[in-house]
Amino acid sequence: NAGVMQNPRHLVRRRGQEARLRCSPMKGHSHVYWYRQLPEEGLKFMVYLQKENIIDESGMPKERFSAEFPKEGPSILRIQQVVRGDSAAYFCASSPPDGLNVLTFGAGSRLTVL
Amino acid sequence: QQQVKQSPQSLIVQKGGIPIINCAYENTAFDYFPWYQQFPGKGPALLIAIRPDVSEKKEGRFTISFNKSAKQFSLHIMDSQPGDSATYFCSERLGTYKYIFGTGTRLKVLA
Repeated sequence: NAGVMQNPRHLVRRRGQEARLRCSPMKGHSHVYWYRQLPEEGLKFMVYLQKENIIDESGMPKERFSAEFPKEGPSILRIQQVVRGDSAAYFCASSPPDGLNVLTFGAGSRLTVL
Repeated sequence: QQQVKQSPQSLIVQKGGIPIINCAYENTAFDYFPWYQQFPGKGPALLIAIRPDVSEKKEGRFTISFNKSAKQFSLHIMDSQPGDSATYFCSERLGTYKYIFGTGTRLKVLA
């Protein structure tokens, strides 16, 4: 069991470019969460998705950020026209279909915006 | 942005000490109270969790105590070791599937 796989682990972008972060949940998990962690800060909820559906995106900035979890393939967190304030670690977590309370996290994708 | 109230923000103890981290929750319907441990450069991982029908749970050197009337739960680390140096997060569920986390407690155990 490979666990939650995130890539890339590190991503450097210049201001105005796009960042795409990918997350493959654990085998058998159909719920995906994205969290953002700024240096020395906690985990901030961004979005919760099930296959082909965004269930709760209340933590996602209204502009430039989007997420998807297609029927086939990984979940994608997309940040358009990145700014320096987007520099952070982005963590994906997954949970099984029965909605048990345990989240399994990936190792994170660290975005640096120059 | 919603976050669970967690304290202290940072903690330094000597090896063998017993650090205690506290978490205050809001959702009284929540039925699962976890602590996550995160090492630098890694993702958080579930450390220990408790259900509200018990007041205490021990797993090795880690103990959760739960106070329903005060709406608090705490993590105690017995005989702490330098390898326990990490950031610890509590978590709470809002609604059906939205899990929020505390601001984290950065623990350093001195050798």
